[in-house]
Amino acid sequence: DVKVTQSSRYLVKRTGEKVFLECVQDMDHENMFWYRQDPGLGLRLIYFSYDVKMKEKGDIPEGYSVSREKKERFSLILESASTNQTSMYLCASSLTTALYQPQHFGDGTRLSIL
Amino acid sequence: GNSVTQMEGPVTLSEEAFLTINCTYTATGYPSLFWYVQYPGEGLQLLLKATKADDKGSNKGFEATYRKETTSFHLEKGSVQVSDSAVYFCALPYNTDKLIFGTGTRLQVFP
Repeated sequence: DVKVTQSSRYLVKRTGEKVFLECVQDMDHENMFWYRQDPGLGLRLIYFSYDVKMKEKGDIPEGYSVSREKKERFSLILESASTNQTSMYLCASSLTTALYQPQHFGDGTRLSIL
Repeated sequence: GNSVTQMEGPVTLSEEAFLTINCTYTATGYPSLFWYVQYPGEGLQLLLKATKADDKGSNKGFEATYRKETTSFHLEKGSVQVSDSAVYFCALPYNTDKLIFGTGTRLQVFP
C-alpha cells in the first residue's frame, strides 16, 4: 500500500514566521502535490512536482514555495505566514499521469496562523 | 477547460437508506473519473474510478457509472451505514497530471 506521510497533524505558528510542511511518500512516485482544503472551496492546488527539482505552480501559489531535493520528499514553504493561510494542507503523490493513476493522500496538516 | 460540479450537502440519511450524490462534469475528451472519500480527521482516499464511457466503478458497496450522454458520474449506495459518514469528492483530470475536485458533499448517517 502507498504511504504518504505528513510530518505534523497540527501546527500553530505566528504571523510572519517561515513555516515548513514536510511530506514523504514511499512508493517511488514521480508526481507530488500540495493542496489546501477550505470549507466551501474544496481542494485547491498550490504546487506540484513531476520530478526531482522540478516544480510547477498550481492554482493558488502566491505566498508559497516548494522544494523537492529527493524523489520521496516534497516540502511546502510559507515564506512569511499570514492569517489567511490558516487551513488544512494535504499532500498527495501519483505515478506518472493522473489520467489513469489515482492520487494518494496523506492525513493532512491543520495549520493555524495566529 | 475541465470542471466538476457536485451537489451541496450535508446529506442526512438514516442507516440502510439509499444514497445518491450527484456529480456532473465538463471535459475535453473522455478522461477518467474518480470518487474520493475523506473520513473525519483523515486525508482523501480513492473510493472508485471509471476510465471510459459506460464503465461502472464499484467499491465497498458504492457504485458510479460514467455516463457521457449526461456528462454525469453519480455516486450511489443501496444501504448506507453509520460508518459511511464522511465527505465525498468527485474528481477528474486536467492538464495531464492534475486533478480537479468538486467542493465535496458531507454525508451524515444516523442509526
